[in-house]
Amino acid sequence: KNEVEQSPQNLTAQEGEFITINCSYSVGISALHWLQQHPGGGIVSLFMLSSGKKKHGRLIATINIQEKHSSLHITASHPRDSAVYICAVAPGGTSYGKLTFGQGTILTVHP
Amino acid sequence: GAVVSQHPSRVICKSGTSVKIECRSLDFQATTMFWYRQFPKQSLMLMATSNEGSKATYEQGVEKDKFLINHASLTLSTLTVTSAHPEDSSFYICSARAGLTNGYTFGSGTRLTVV
Repeated sequence: KNEVEQSPQNLTAQEGEFITINCSYSVGISALHWLQQHPGGGIVSLFMLSSGKKKHGRLIATINIQEKHSSLHITASHPRDSAVYICAVAPGGTSYGKLTFGQGTILTVHP
Repeated sequence: GAVVSQHPSRVICKSGTSVKIECRSLDFQATTMFWYRQFPKQSLMLMATSNEGSKATYEQGVEKDKFLINHASLTLSTLTVTSAHPEDSSFYICSARAGLTNGYTFGSGTRLTVV
């Protein structure tokens, strides 16, 4: 079993739909990261969370430390949101920041 | 925000030659740079952690002599794939943090094809 599990692996939506991607992890962490990878390969860091909830534009990320679970929500989805979304955790106790990655969720938003 | 510039974005080389990939932190000092490899439809795999002024720390199974990492300054880390072979063809990407409380900034990646 992977230390970081994402679901679903693939997600197709129509423009305007509300989207949720889930991430569960099995280790103690110091922080959880949500990343976005576009088809060309470039990666953008969306959020870094250690507790609670963060919002940036149409993106919302939440984390429940007790349940070892995080969700990434996209409101009013748009075709430009089509990308791979990756959850990554920094295990607790490490200070230099080695990340463990989920397998990614491939999101396709149709117009 | 913090920016990491990675070059080249794509490179095609002949088998047996060496390829150097550069990552520069443009507006912050990156004492630590992480190098990843990604195969198609797979997640990122950490290859090594590059520390400014000291030897890189390689992950298990990564050949130190094949993937040479140099981090000579606080803003530049390089990965050299030596004597490249077709199986080294992959997507290589670096990342760094501008401090422990900040998120990670990734380079744009390098797609290496060895023919």
